[in-house]
Amino acid sequence: GAGVSQSPRYKVAKRGQDVALRCDPISGHVSLFWYQQALGQGPEFLTYFQNEAQLDKSGLPSDRFFAERPEGSVSTLKIQRTQQEDSAVYLCASSLVAGNSATNEKLFFGSGTQLSVL
Amino acid sequence: GQQLNQSPQSMFIQEGEDVSMNCTSSSIFNTWLWYKQDPGEGPVLLIALYKAGELTSNGRLTAQFGITRKDSFLNISASIPSDVGIYFCAGFTGANSKLTFGKGITLSVRP
Repeated sequence: GAGVSQSPRYKVAKRGQDVALRCDPISGHVSLFWYQQALGQGPEFLTYFQNEAQLDKSGLPSDRFFAERPEGSVSTLKIQRTQQEDSAVYLCASSLVAGNSATNEKLFFGSGTQLSVL
Repeated sequence: GQQLNQSPQSMFIQEGEDVSMNCTSSSIFNTWLWYKQDPGEGPVLLIALYKAGELTSNGRLTAQFGITRKDSFLNISASIPSDVGIYFCAGFTGANSKLTFGKGITLSVRP
C-alpha cells in the first residue's frame, strides 16, 4: 500500500517476554519516528532515524527499548523483558524530509501496534 | 514527558453546531499542528501553522497560531457526524526532531 504499514496490529505478551514491532515506512521517506501512545494520552516521542542513522533516542524510556533501521527503510522497535507499564500503542511515522527541517511536521503515521503486557 | 495542555477532555455537540478547541503551552513553539485520530488509526494531519498570528483554513476547519507562540486554536464549523474523533494539538520547536503532543480532546457529535 501507499501508507505507513505496521505489524502486528495487536500483540499480547507475558511480562518478561521480548517483543519486536515492525514498521514499513512510505517508500523513499528519509525520516522515521517511533512514538508511544498510552491510553487516554497523546503520542510521546521515542526515537528518530534519518535514513539508517539513529539521530535521536532521547525518548526511549529505558535500556530495554531498542530500535534499528539497518538499511534505511524498514524499522524494528524491540522491547526486552516487557513490563506492564510498556502496554501502549506504538506508532511509527515517516516523512519525506530530514527531521530537523521546518517541513518535517508533515508526518504520515501508521495505524500502530497495540501492545498489551499481562 | 512534557505535553501541551488541552481541555476539556471531552466535548459533546449537536450536529450543525460550531466547536472551538484551544491548546496552551508554557514553552514557545515555532510550528503548531492539529491532528485528528480515529479509533484504531494513527493521527492524521488537519492543519499546520508556521507563523505567529497566522490564521489558516481547511474546509470547515480554521486554526490560528497564537501571537505569543504559546497557544493555538482550532474551530470546526457546521459539525457533521464524521467529525467524531480525538483532536490533538502538537508543537514543533525546530531545535530537534520531535513533536510534542497534547492529551487530546474527544469530540462527540449528536445527530
